[in-house]
Amino acid sequence: GENVEQHPSTLSVQEGDSAVIKCTYSDSASNYFPWYKQELGKGPQLIIDIRSNVGEKKDQRIAVTLNKTAKHFSLHITETQPEDSAVYFCAASIWRTGANNLFFGTGTRLTVIP
Amino acid sequence: DVKVTQSSRYLVKRTGEKVFLECVQDMDHENMFWYRQDPGLGLRLIYFSYDVKMKEKGDIPEGYSVSREKKERFSLILESASTNQTSMYLCASSFGTGGWPQHFGDGTRLSIL
Repeated sequence: GENVEQHPSTLSVQEGDSAVIKCTYSDSASNYFPWYKQELGKGPQLIIDIRSNVGEKKDQRIAVTLNKTAKHFSLHITETQPEDSAVYFCAASIWRTGANNLFFGTGTRLTVIP
Repeated sequence: DVKVTQSSRYLVKRTGEKVFLECVQDMDHENMFWYRQDPGLGLRLIYFSYDVKMKEKGDIPEGYSVSREKKERFSLILESASTNQTSMYLCASSFGTGGWPQHFGDGTRLSIL
């Protein structure tokens, strides 16, 4: 099956700096790559996603890049704010009988220091 | 907005008990998923369902079963709970054959004593 690796496991940045989280995947058939943010006591919430036919996508302070050849994708958060502090998960999608399944990375705990 | 509701936020059960975790979604989604979340391991798929009465094993189905009698409801069953099933359980749903994106509930933290 698919194997997704995520780095770093923890990341601390000063408010206003940028944060970058990187993921690699193993199965070239993966065709959809979402990023989720999980705050304390809540379920994961989708913040941005990208499909395999696109190299980059932006949404305000958040951007995702995808390199299909190298099988890696990254999340970039610019001008970080304290409310960006959370655990972030990347995922890659593979088709299994009946539905696309997500395979998740192990998460990055981001702390934004005011 | 999509709403995925898990019936309990916290649950404490005893070893050997049969445990039911319930999940309901309000967006008429075809696909529903059960994950388990453990520190350092991310989210791992237990079972999923792409239609009423249909179920497929995920990556860690051992010790679990599921039931989907109605489109909006997906139940996870621990047949005989064990301490190594203490974990956070997350339910998700998604629309259509593509199944993107998945929307998550807020989880049930289950403790087996």
